[in-house]
Amino acid sequence: ELKVEQNPLFLSMQEGKNYTIYCNYSTTSDRLYWYRQDPGKSLESLFVLLSNGAVKQEGRLMASLDTKARLSTLHITAAVHDLSATYFCAGTPMYSGGGADGLTFGKGTHLIIQP
Amino acid sequence: NAGVTQTPKFRVLKTGQSMTLLCAQDMNHEYMYWYRQDPGMGLRLIHYSVGEGTTAKGEVPDGYNVSRLKKQNFLLGLESAAPSQTSVYFCASSSPTREWEQYFGPGTRLTVT
Repeated sequence: ELKVEQNPLFLSMQEGKNYTIYCNYSTTSDRLYWYRQDPGKSLESLFVLLSNGAVKQEGRLMASLDTKARLSTLHITAAVHDLSATYFCAGTPMYSGGGADGLTFGKGTHLIIQP
Repeated sequence: NAGVTQTPKFRVLKTGQSMTLLCAQDMNHEYMYWYRQDPGMGLRLIHYSVGEGTTAKGEVPDGYNVSRLKKQNFLLGLESAAPSQTSVYFCASSSPTREWEQYFGPGTRLTVT
């Protein structure tokens, strides 16, 4: 059974600062996903990481995957208030045939960026 | 394209009542999912479907039933609602041709009193 743990679960930071959210998973995972959720809204896909060493960047966000360490990171560069949201990572067990059987989510990181 | 839509957006039920949540997608995806989101718990998979006429249990299936009579629709039923089923329910769909990236609906906020 795949378990996904995120830390920190809550993060308050100032604009302009850099920070990293960590996502550890318990068993070999086929792939790793990052989602963003604004309060009262649905989940928006940010990144899909498919292989060891994968790195993807979009604006001030960069995600990476280390399958040997069973670790994915979401790095925020020069944070701005608009990035305030809850960020989830999610994975699928290697045996599940890709994502057919659904995703296992972490509990989410509630990020507040203060001016 | 509307993507994934859910009906209704909000609902209040009394304990013991039943209801059906409807999910529809217009992306021709084979795979569809129902998750529930509770504070501090992330999302947990209830049931999923790998194609029309097929369903399977997820992590937390008890108290729910599902049906997939048409490829574009996935229904979630609560036969006898309980306060523990108070939650936000999200439907999602995916396709292997899009790296199994899941596309989520807007959610249904259900309160059981």
